[in-house]
Amino acid sequence: GDSVTQMEGPVTLSEEAFLTINCTYTATGYPSLFWYVQYPGEGLQLLLKATKADDKGSNKGFEATYRKETTSFHLEKGSVQVSDSAVYFCALSDKGGTSYGKLTFGQGTILTVHP
Amino acid sequence: ETGVTQTPRHLVMGMTNKKSLKCEQHLGHNAMYWYKQSAKKPLELMFVYNFKEQTENNSVPSRFSPECPNSSHLFLHLHTLQPEDSALYLCASSPQVSGVGETQYFGPGTRLLVL
Repeated sequence: GDSVTQMEGPVTLSEEAFLTINCTYTATGYPSLFWYVQYPGEGLQLLLKATKADDKGSNKGFEATYRKETTSFHLEKGSVQVSDSAVYFCALSDKGGTSYGKLTFGQGTILTVHP
Repeated sequence: ETGVTQTPRHLVMGMTNKKSLKCEQHLGHNAMYWYKQSAKKPLELMFVYNFKEQTENNSVPSRFSPECPNSSHLFLHLHTLQPEDSALYLCASSPQVSGVGETQYFGPGTRLLVL
């Protein structure tokens, strides 16, 4: 079945540091890929997405490129801020198999940014 | 109000109690979802409704009973829960279930504690 694997957290960085959170996936079809973010005490919000190979999603300085050859969708940001502290979830939506249209999530990565 | 709202935000219940969680979306969407978020585990999809019809029951125990009276409202009725059911319960909506690549919009969740 479909699965998403994220790098283990927590990740702790200083403000203005470079961020990478790795995400790889397994899917039976041609999935769309997402990054969601969950700020403390809130639900999940879409951060960015990509719907086909080589697409790059970007938002709020975050970027991720859909790499079909490596089945990856790593999240990057050049300079993090304290306000980026949150839990980040990689997810996929697959058109194949039994998971049609539904999201499969990774386990989440906690990011803490210190001033 | 806009977006997806959930009530209550926090709930403490005994194992013999009966309670209900409510979700309302103000986005004009046709699909609604219940997810369970437990510590150190990926989000688990519980139920999916599309145009008020249940299209997915992800092997959820019968002590969880969903109800979708219309496309804007979704309930989760709880009875005789176990302590391991303590978690954050998230509701989400999307325009429809069939669209791969569609964004799901999440509510803030209900934090449930079963004593």
